[in-house]
Amino acid sequence: QSALTQPPSASGSPGQSVTISCTGTSSDVGGYNYVSWYQQHPGKAPKLMIYEVSKRPSGVPDRFSGSKSGITASLTVSGLQAEDEADYYCSSYAGSNNFGVIFGGGTKLTVL
Amino acid sequence: EVQLVESGGGLVQPGGSLRLSCAASGFTFSSYSMNWVRQAPGKGLEWVSYISSSSSTIYSADSVKGRFTISRDDAKNSLYLQMNSLRGEDTAVYYCVRGGQWLGDAFDIWGRGTMVTVSS
Repeated sequence: QSALTQPPSASGSPGQSVTISCTGTSSDVGGYNYVSWYQQHPGKAPKLMIYEVSKRPSGVPDRFSGSKSGITASLTVSGLQAEDEADYYCSSYAGSNNFGVIFGGGTKLTVL
Repeated sequence: EVQLVESGGGLVQPGGSLRLSCAASGFTFSSYSMNWVRQAPGKGLEWVSYISSSSSTIYSADSVKGRFTISRDDAKNSLYLQMNSLRGEDTAVYYCVRGGQWLGDAFDIWGRGTMVTVSS
């Protein structure tokens, strides 16, 4: 099973919005509403930002939102701030009898 | 404070073995499923293995099946990963990660990771 497909990079100026896509197949992203997004700053552990496509854990700013259409999930960061610069990874449940949980290759978000 | 702390990483020769440990604190460890996720240097995240709260269900990625074994000791609030027949491609930071009630639940708490280097 290949990793979910994410663009390697994305960028935006402070205050702008940026959307990162995550494309899978009908066996993972398209088949389940169990898509998550993780933020990882250099040298740090990943942090959960979005779960079950569009839900935000307590403490995550509402500037972060998630959605899904078909086999593509998206993470939108609104009102970009300098501290949003990080790597972002999507993940999807892919069936316990198949591939378990698969991640995207990651997107480096740069705040210009 | 909810915390996961990994240990046991290090340098090992190809074909060798290593046992990783993860100490959990700040939450009811026995109520949660747990996972190992790894990240090779400069690369993305890869899910490795899952164990349910009761230890009754275990899943592993194809890349480690037959070589890695996940286990837990709820009395010690600890998670383990026994890694055998190690290969160069197993070189990575290994994260201990809290799950939910089943494999599809998000990974909400991550440890800082422990580095495993497989090299001669």
